[in-house]
Amino acid sequence: EAQVTQNPRYLITVTGKKLTVTCSQNMNHEYMSWYRQDPGLGLRQIYYSMNVEVTDKGDVPEGYKVSRKEKRNFPLILESPSPNQTSLYFCASSQRTSADEQFFGPGTRLTVL
Amino acid sequence: GQQVMQIPQYQHVQEGEDFTTYCNSSTTLSNIQWYKQRPGGHPVFLIQLVKSGEVKKQKRLTFQFGEAKKNSSLHITATQTTDVGTYFCAGPRRGGATNKLIFGTGTLLAVQP
Repeated sequence: EAQVTQNPRYLITVTGKKLTVTCSQNMNHEYMSWYRQDPGLGLRQIYYSMNVEVTDKGDVPEGYKVSRKEKRNFPLILESPSPNQTSLYFCASSQRTSADEQFFGPGTRLTVL
Repeated sequence: GQQVMQIPQYQHVQEGEDFTTYCNSSTTLSNIQWYKQRPGGHPVFLIQLVKSGEVKKQKRLTFQFGEAKKNSSLHITATQTTDVGTYFCAGPRRGGATNKLIFGTGTLLAVQP
């Protein structure tokens, strides 16, 4: 089954404790991205990747890192989480670019205390 | 920077009534995508419009792309309880090395049986 998976689905952590949210897709997609969703603000793009070893900032990249060492995986890293990063995070992938249909993962609910 | 706004933020209708959400971009878009997010779920792609003035229909849903390619609308005829959710428009921001995807703020639709 074609899908995007994210882990964990729920995470409660404390300020400053490094964490990684994994994202994997099995559709051989080139374009992958991370979004955060906050009430009233919609979905805001954090980082995106056009292909392996090619990543670039979205609109809200501060406090986040990403890597794309393999085509299927695109982990999101919070090196020193802060409470303002409490949010619902979605990973998405598409065939080639931002102009293509995006396939979203199930989401990760993160709470930073 | 490029902004994509949606109105209304929230709409409550009686089952059987019509519903429309509007999407307005501050810049011209190469295409517009529409997504639906059910409560507790992830965004799911509905449709993509590419041509100026384009109109597409999916059963009770009608999508329009403005002549200037800066606005779009989604109209649902005779809403049903299965239409409940948040509807997002999204437009790619591409140019040079940039390949972002900008989402609108979303319209939450509530349908009372």
